Amino acid sequence: AQKITQTQPGMFVQEKEAVTLDCTYDTSDPSYGLFWYKQPSSGEMIFLIYQGSYDQQNATEGRYSLNFQKARKSANLVISASQLGDSAMYFCAMREDTGGFKTIFGAGTRLFVKA
Amino acid sequence: DTGVSQDPRHKITKRGQNVTFRCDPISEHNRLYWYRQTLGQGPEFLTYFQNEAQLEKSRLLSDRFSAERPKGSFSTLEIQRTEQGDSAMYLCASSLGTGLGNEQFFGPGTRLTVL
Repeated sequence: AQKITQTQPGMFVQEKEAVTLDCTYDTSDPSYGLFWYKQPSSGEMIFLIYQGSYDQQNATEGRYSLNFQKARKSANLVISASQLGDSAMYFCAMREDTGGFKTIFGAGTRLFVKA
Repeated sequence: DTGVSQDPRHKITKRGQNVTFRCDPISEHNRLYWYRQTLGQGPEFLTYFQNEAQLEKSRLLSDRFSAERPKGSFSTLEIQRTEQGDSAMYLCASSLGTGLGNEQFFGPGTRLTVL
């Protein structure tokens, strides 16, 4: 069964520093996709980055990179040069190729960026 | 129209009343999803449409819940005989294409409070 685990309920980071948000997943499907979304206090979910299970390289999108360790089933999000506007909830999510387009989300990590 | 819109943004109702929410996806997107998000949790998948066909429903979607997408455009989610446990944020998302990595674009959500 699909499962996403985010073990950090809250994280603090100093402005301009890098931060890693942890995500582990469980699936028996060899073909799957992993996503990270940001949810500011306004409530809207914002797509950040995607990693396919067969992608050879770690995904990067601007200040966001995904540290994909397939054998460990982990897909950690790294945010470099944190900004005050990065303060938000961050959700890791997964979709299986045989999962019927259902996306499973983790419980989220709240990130606080300190000035 | 550059994004997914949802109406209303907030709904307060009394237990036992029926409520209906509307979602307008990005115009060219053929896939539409409904999620429910309770406080402190990630979104939970409810149902999914490809064009006008409802292809998957979560077990969370009890018989009090019904969703439609007539003509494959906007969608409605109706909850009959609301219960206090239905209080949550209801999120709609849309996407285009069939690939695992196709990004889901989320709307701002409808926050339901059942008194």
